[in-house]
Amino acid sequence: KNEVEQSPQNLTAQEGEFITINCSYSVGISALHWLQQHPGGGIVSLFMLSSGKKKHGRLIATINIQEKHSSLHITASHPRDSAVYICAVVSRSQGNLIFGKGTKLSVKP
Amino acid sequence: NAGVTQTPKFQVLKTGQSMTLQCAQDMNHNSMYWYRQDPGMGLRLIYYSASEGTTDKGEVPNGYNVSRLNKREFSLRLESAAPSQTSVYFCASSETGDLGYTFGSGTRLTVV
Repeated sequence: KNEVEQSPQNLTAQEGEFITINCSYSVGISALHWLQQHPGGGIVSLFMLSSGKKKHGRLIATINIQEKHSSLHITASHPRDSAVYICAVVSRSQGNLIFGKGTKLSVKP
Repeated sequence: NAGVTQTPKFQVLKTGQSMTLQCAQDMNHNSMYWYRQDPGMGLRLIYYSASEGTTDKGEVPNGYNVSRLNKREFSLRLESAAPSQTSVYFCASSETGDLGYTFGSGTRLTVV
């Protein structure tokens, strides 16, 4: 079983829709990251969370430490949001990042 | 612009050839990492360096060597490339105790 599981694997949405991507993990963590990767592009850090909720523009990330679960929400989605979104946790025991497989989001105009 | 710089962006090698992927960061971070990304899998750690002068194996180190040349630079070497090493490679850096990471733009390597 993977230590970091994301759902869904693929997501297609219409422009303007509210989007939720989920991440569950099975290890103790120091922090959780949400990353964005555009086709052919590098990886950009969107959020780093250790508790609660963070908001940046149309993006909202939440984490529930007790339930070992995090969600990334995109409000009023736009085609430029099309990318792979990756959840990664900092393992408390190892100190390194453990990555989910990513969620490929496609937003249609 | 501050960040992590990787070179080259693309490379094609023949089986058995060697090459070095270069990575440099200008954020004065102590820790640096090399990952590989393969279809259908999450990024996997190849090697990391927690500080200048130290390196440690990650999840998939076989077939690779690394050098932490100084605090800024962390290179990844393939001594004898194999088709199984066809992948996209990412370098990243972070400051010890600060859990934020910065990633390079990636190197797409094809071994034929």
